[in-house]
Amino acid sequence: DTEVTQTPKHLVMGMTNKKSLKCEQHMGHRAMYWYKQKAKKPPELMFVYSYEKLSINESVPSRFSPECPNSSLLNLHLHALQPEDSALYLCASSQDGTGGEQYFGPGTRLTVT
Amino acid sequence: AQSVSQHNHHVILSEAASLELGCNYSYGGTVNLFWYVQYPGQHLQLLLKYFSGDPLVKGIKGFEAEFIKSKFSFNLRKPSVQWSDTAEYFCAVIFFNDYKLSFGAGTTVTVRA
Repeated sequence: DTEVTQTPKHLVMGMTNKKSLKCEQHMGHRAMYWYKQKAKKPPELMFVYSYEKLSINESVPSRFSPECPNSSLLNLHLHALQPEDSALYLCASSQDGTGGEQYFGPGTRLTVT
Repeated sequence: AQSVSQHNHHVILSEAASLELGCNYSYGGTVNLFWYVQYPGQHLQLLLKYFSGDPLVKGIKGFEAEFIKSKFSFNLRKPSVQWSDTAEYFCAVIFFNDYKLSFGAGTTVTVRA
């Protein structure tokens, strides 16, 4: 099973709302990632968790807050977002973050109004 | 600075035509190489990967790619495309100095029936 699942599929939120995106994998992978993808653009790395510890933060604004409760789950907490944050948010996982292939989830389509 | 470049922004083909997409990277150290595909409305899928060994690698759906180390290239090929190959194609590289997955800008492939 090479599946990464993400919920919700779609999310519309106002600029004062607080919401969370969820990601889950059951492949025993120890590295998990959040990416942001705008239409017709490549994914942009936001955060990397390796063995449940945050190892990379690509200077993402603090209105995005990642959390890794355990090795299978990854959350992205959202607060006070801006309309320009509207995008497809992708979760991915890989064996251990040292160069192997990453498996991507279907993404959450976020619209900030 | 390390980077990934894809030669073509948009390629339009007729069914049964051959496809070749170019990808180059700039980095003198060890890399792992990938091609991902994103079909309309679907998530990123791994087409093929190269870590080491035979520089000609075969992937899913009849795709293959050739790694030419001296040219820092990893070009994707398919001898005969189908309408269902219409998608966005991303070349991606993991550079072993930071283990981040870096994407090219992507190539939109449109196959006309």
